[in-house]
Amino acid sequence: GDSVTQMEGPVTLSEEAFLTINCTYTATGYPSLFWYVQYPGEGLQLLLKATKADDKGSNKGFEATYRKETTSFHLEKGSVQVSDSAVYFCALDSTDSWGKLQFGAGTQVVVTP
Amino acid sequence: DVKVTQSSRYLVKRTGEKVFLECVQDMDHENMFWYRQDPGLGLRLIYFSYDVKMKEKGDIPEGYSVSREKKERFSLILESASTNQTSMYLCASSLGYTGAGANVLTFGAGSRLTVL
Repeated sequence: GDSVTQMEGPVTLSEEAFLTINCTYTATGYPSLFWYVQYPGEGLQLLLKATKADDKGSNKGFEATYRKETTSFHLEKGSVQVSDSAVYFCALDSTDSWGKLQFGAGTQVVVTP
Repeated sequence: DVKVTQSSRYLVKRTGEKVFLECVQDMDHENMFWYRQDPGLGLRLIYFSYDVKMKEKGDIPEGYSVSREKKERFSLILESASTNQTSMYLCASSLGYTGAGANVLTFGAGSRLTVL
């Protein structure tokens, strides 16, 4: 079945450091890929998405590129802020899943001043 | 601003009690979902619904049931709560199965349930 694997956390960074969170997937066909973010005490919210190979999703300084050849969708940000401290989830939506997303385990990111 | 509202942020129940978790969305979305979130396991789908009175089992439906009598409301029911159902429960909705943005989920803030 479909699955998403993302790097374990917590990831601890200093402010202005470069952030990468690795995400790889297993799926048949051509899934859509997502990054969601969960700030403390809140539900998840969409950060960015990509719907086909080589698409780049971007939002709030975060970027991720849909790489079909490596089945990856790594999240990056060039200079993190304390306010980026959150849990980040990679997810996929298979073409026949009727919108039922498959989520990774989540990666906690802690940014210190 | 679109919203998914979960009725209770925190609940404490005793083993064997019947528990209702309510979720309401104001976006006229077709699809609604109940996920369970546990550390190290991410989100796991319990049940989903793509229309009024329709429901489908997700990955972990055992011990749960759902009800969708109106389009905007999707309820999760624990018939007899057990300690292994202590968790964060997240409700979500999406537009439907066609159209741009159809598979983008909008989440509620979550309901943290503790079963003693």
